[in-house]
Amino acid sequence: AQSVSQHNHHVILSEAASLELGCNYSYGGTVNLFWYVQYPGQHLQLLLKYFSGDPLVKGIKGFEAEFIKSKFSFNLRKPSVQWSDTAEYFCAARGGAQKLVFGQGTRLTINP
Amino acid sequence: NAGVTQTPKFQVLKTGQSMTLQCAQDMNHNSMYWYRQDPGMGLRLIYYSASEGTTDKGEVPNGYNVSRLNKREFSLRLESAAPSQTSVYFCASTPTLNTGELFFGEGSRLTVL
Repeated sequence: AQSVSQHNHHVILSEAASLELGCNYSYGGTVNLFWYVQYPGQHLQLLLKYFSGDPLVKGIKGFEAEFIKSKFSFNLRKPSVQWSDTAEYFCAARGGAQKLVFGQGTRLTINP
Repeated sequence: NAGVTQTPKFQVLKTGQSMTLQCAQDMNHNSMYWYRQDPGMGLRLIYYSASEGTTDKGEVPNGYNVSRLNKREFSLRLESAAPSQTSVYFCASTPTLNTGELFFGEGSRLTVL
């Protein structure tokens, strides 16, 4: 069965630090990949998505992610985090015509 | 733009009570979904509706029923609530089944005592 793994459950950083959140998926064929963010008390919002083309995807608020097919990975990065980036981040993948599968989520805490 | 609207936002139930979560979208999407979110488990699909008039089970359908009332509305019903159903519930929609990004509602926090 298709699965998505996020290895970091809780990440704590200071402002201006660089961020990388890991995401690995199990599907071997054509895959659509997403990162969603959930700010405290809010609903999930799309950060960025990859369907095809350039494997380096840029999203909102300075976030980017790189699709590495050989590693089945889609890690989320940001060069310099802000306190307002405190949130929970979810990676999700859809293989072929399958339903979207979410990872367990990574809680990010940014200390001012 | 309203997008996906869920009601109620908060609800407390006693074990055995029933309730219905309502969801409506105004984006003319064909497909709608109900997820539950639990700490450390991400989002799990309860039921989905590919189009008006069709519904299918997702990963965790037990204890739930759904109704796709029309193209806009997709409700989730708990017939006899259990403490294990304490969760945050999200409704979402996509233009067609399993395509594009999910558009989420603001969530409904349900506590079953």
